[in-house]
Amino acid sequence: NAGVTQTPKFQVLKTGQSMTLQCAQDMNHNSMYWYRQDPGMGLRLIYYSASEGTTDKGEVPNGYNVSRLNKREFSLRLESAAPSQTSVYFCASSEMGGNTEAFFGQGTRLTVV
Amino acid sequence: KQEVTQIPAALSVPEGENLVLNCSFTDSAIYNLQWFRQDPGKGLTSLLLIQSSQREQTSGRLNASLDKSSGRSTLYIAASQPGDSATYLCAVLWNSGNTPLVFGKGTRLSVIA
Repeated sequence: NAGVTQTPKFQVLKTGQSMTLQCAQDMNHNSMYWYRQDPGMGLRLIYYSASEGTTDKGEVPNGYNVSRLNKREFSLRLESAAPSQTSVYFCASSEMGGNTEAFFGQGTRLTVV
Repeated sequence: KQEVTQIPAALSVPEGENLVLNCSFTDSAIYNLQWFRQDPGKGLTSLLLIQSSQREQTSGRLNASLDKSSGRSTLYIAASQPGDSATYLCAVLWNSGNTPLVFGKGTRLSVIA
């Protein structure tokens, strides 16, 4: 039972490059999320998708785009990476509106130089 | 604004001690509250989920309590072990569960052998 799978685990980008972080869950959850985690800032929500076909901005959406490809997959795209986007990115899934746990992937450590 | 606060940011205890981690939240109309554990360089692992109608949940040496009227939750760890060393995060779901989790910044626990 894989749970939430993120790829890649590590990535180094040059300023201005683009990349897509992939996330897939196998728990049939309707809701998926992207957070970033920075020292002293905690976990901050970038975007979320309450259900297939919908996406909404979170606390820090600038510089990012998302795609809910299907019920299983939710990708995060950086169109033109900036050093301020150096962070650890976490994908999560849950049943929004249900009294069940949220599950997290192992994270992607991104460095923008 | 709905916020979650965890104090202290870091805690160091000798092995064998019982300890309490604190979480406070604005707006007592929560849907549920979840405690997570995060090891260095890893993702978040769910420890306990307390629904708004519950007062506490237990799993092994862990006990989480919820007092909505005072806006507080505590995570009690009995007979602490060096393997309990990690960052513990509290997260709250509001709005009937139809918005994403809001996280505290965590408490970094060190259990000294």
